[in-house]
Amino acid sequence: NAGVMQNPRHLVRRRGQEARLRCSPMKGHSHVYWYRQLPEEGLKFMVYLQKENIIDESGMPKERFSAEFPKEGPSILRIQQVVRGDSAAYFCASSPLTRGPGNTIYFGEGSWLTVV
Amino acid sequence: RKEVEQDPGPFNVPEGATVAFNCTYSNSASQSFFWYRQDCRKEPKLLMSVYSSGNEDGRFTAQLNRASQYISLLIRDSKLSDSATYLCVVSGGGADGLTFGKGTHLIIQP
Repeated sequence: NAGVMQNPRHLVRRRGQEARLRCSPMKGHSHVYWYRQLPEEGLKFMVYLQKENIIDESGMPKERFSAEFPKEGPSILRIQQVVRGDSAAYFCASSPLTRGPGNTIYFGEGSWLTVV
Repeated sequence: RKEVEQDPGPFNVPEGATVAFNCTYSNSASQSFFWYRQDCRKEPKLLMSVYSSGNEDGRFTAQLNRASQYISLLIRDSKLSDSATYLCVVSGGGADGLTFGKGTHLIIQP
């Protein structure tokens, strides 16, 4: 399956710990997006990255959250000092080289973070 | 006003019936429109794109009204397997990707 790969699928962290979520885009895709879905809520855009560049992080909380997409390896969403409110599903998506109207994005299966 | 607004439902519909959802969007500069389907604890999956001329894919018909800024999805001859949450998604200019509605929850009853 050459789809968007996310891991871990499920992650449990205690308050104050760090969570790292990884995403490998579809083959041939160089754009990665992270979305968060809180219980009973819609998906909220967090950040848009290309290799070694953050293009738009307007949806990222100002503190504790960071994202990267290095030249080699997966994109990583990092949440430091997690709190219960961070419990959510985090979806990664990727799109082809050129993102424009009509170009769809493809989602990974998501990472479910539970903070206890 | 929310960027993309949907009736959350749930819509309880008997199998075989026709059901329609609407979605409104606030950004008149939006360029692309989609319906996604999301099953419980699964990722969203593209159901269909929405074009100004309207488009049909089997039992599903999508329409766009730019003047009124709303999008519709019609499902005919509904199946049990159509039970899911349907997300209205709008893409605008810029690098911010897609804006999702909260979704409409559909339950098809036998």
